[in-house]
Amino acid sequence: EVQLVESGGGLVQPGGSLRLSCAASGFSLSDQHMDWVRQAPGKGLEWVGRTKNKANSYSTEYAASVRGRFTISREDSQNSLYLQMNSLKTEDTAVYYCASLIGDIWGPGTMVTVSS
Amino acid sequence: DIQMTQSPSAMSASVGDRVTVTCRASQDISHYLAWFQQKPGKVPKRLIYDASNLESGVPPRFSASGSGTEFTLTISSLQPEDFATYYCIQHNTFPRTFGQGTKLEMK
Repeated sequence: EVQLVESGGGLVQPGGSLRLSCAASGFSLSDQHMDWVRQAPGKGLEWVGRTKNKANSYSTEYAASVRGRFTISREDSQNSLYLQMNSLKTEDTAVYYCASLIGDIWGPGTMVTVSS
Repeated sequence: DIQMTQSPSAMSASVGDRVTVTCRASQDISHYLAWFQQKPGKVPKRLIYDASNLESGVPPRFSASGSGTEFTLTISSLQPEDFATYYCIQHNTFPRTFGQGTKLEMK
């Protein structure tokens, strides 16, 4: 069964850092372009960023709202994807989804709350 | 960045109604648009890819069309399970951008 499962969410103070993980099973992450998408409470979907597949040198793209603060990486040996979030702001509070938008594969999401 | 504007942002309808949601792009995105459905507490599910192609398993009451800057999603005869929020997303350029969503509520 194809599956993505996020972890690492929680409560963090403004200015702090958090690292989210996404474990894939049932398929090889290295073959896929992978995205992070977030959804603030009661709000719409916001694309956060993408890491392209191995054939595209794992290059990354980011939304303007997170560029320079967030970094997407992956560890193919672990079949895992990561989102390093630095300099967090209250407006980063959201459910964060790991997804393959191309394959329409989504994890259940992990909640990140940025608050003092 | 390409802005995606959906209309309406919310609407009320009844079972059996024909419903149309519109998505406008701030610049030409060719046919690089998808439609997602999200139900409360659930992850999004793609209904349409490349502007007009129905995903496998999606009921044929859903259809979509458009190219360039104007796109529509139509539900020909609303069913109870269709009450949800619908999002468009352009995948022509980075950064990818979603529309703000259209919440379809029961009248």
